[in-house]
Amino acid sequence: KAGVTQTPRYLIKTRGQQVTLSCSPISGHRSVSWYQQTPGQGLQFLFEYFSETQRNKGNFPGRFSGRQFSNSRSEMNVSTLELGDSALYLCASSSGLTTGSEQFFGPGTRLTVL
Amino acid sequence: SQQGEEDPQALSIQEGENATMNCSYKTSINNLQWYRQNSGRGLVHLILIRSNEREKHSGRLRVTLDTSKKSSSLLITASRAADTASYFCATDPGGSYIPTFGRGTSLIVHP
Repeated sequence: KAGVTQTPRYLIKTRGQQVTLSCSPISGHRSVSWYQQTPGQGLQFLFEYFSETQRNKGNFPGRFSGRQFSNSRSEMNVSTLELGDSALYLCASSSGLTTGSEQFFGPGTRLTVL
Repeated sequence: SQQGEEDPQALSIQEGENATMNCSYKTSINNLQWYRQNSGRGLVHLILIRSNEREKHSGRLRVTLDTSKKSSSLLITASRAADTASYFCATDPGGSYIPTFGRGTSLIVHP
């Protein structure tokens, strides 16, 4: 089975711009989660989509949004970028059918905001 | 605040030695997982232990779970330079579908 893929791998943006990140889960997985990882805050949960519906949401401002398509692929959008949004954004997929499911992570998208 | 907290934050050992890292959590869980992350990459699942299990092994990994103390430990025996990575514990507080991660332990194994 192919693993979780994320595109692009690296991004450089300036403050005020918006960005869209993409994640393709493992075939058959219906749950896709997004995490933000920074040295200061560690790994923080953004949101989870299951069968095209947002099922769980972390504590991030409304500038962070996402969606999931019928083929389970997911996109995450960040509008009005701030310097503090510079981070590694990780996507993870799972079956989503049991609590605390094993998460399969992609390699991440490294976003730098200048 | 984090549900799981790893201890120590950083650990430096020589190849061949054992490495032990601990995880404490706050609320009841159904299971606890350990993940490894090599520098700047995605996390890789290592092992899952359920709340009714006390110990689990996988190769050179041994995980214990003490639900009365709300803590878990990960032991890596006969460590190798390739084990150099950050290790995270993840729990499912309140039976959440999404595991909550701690801040991780950074392990350096010197050849």
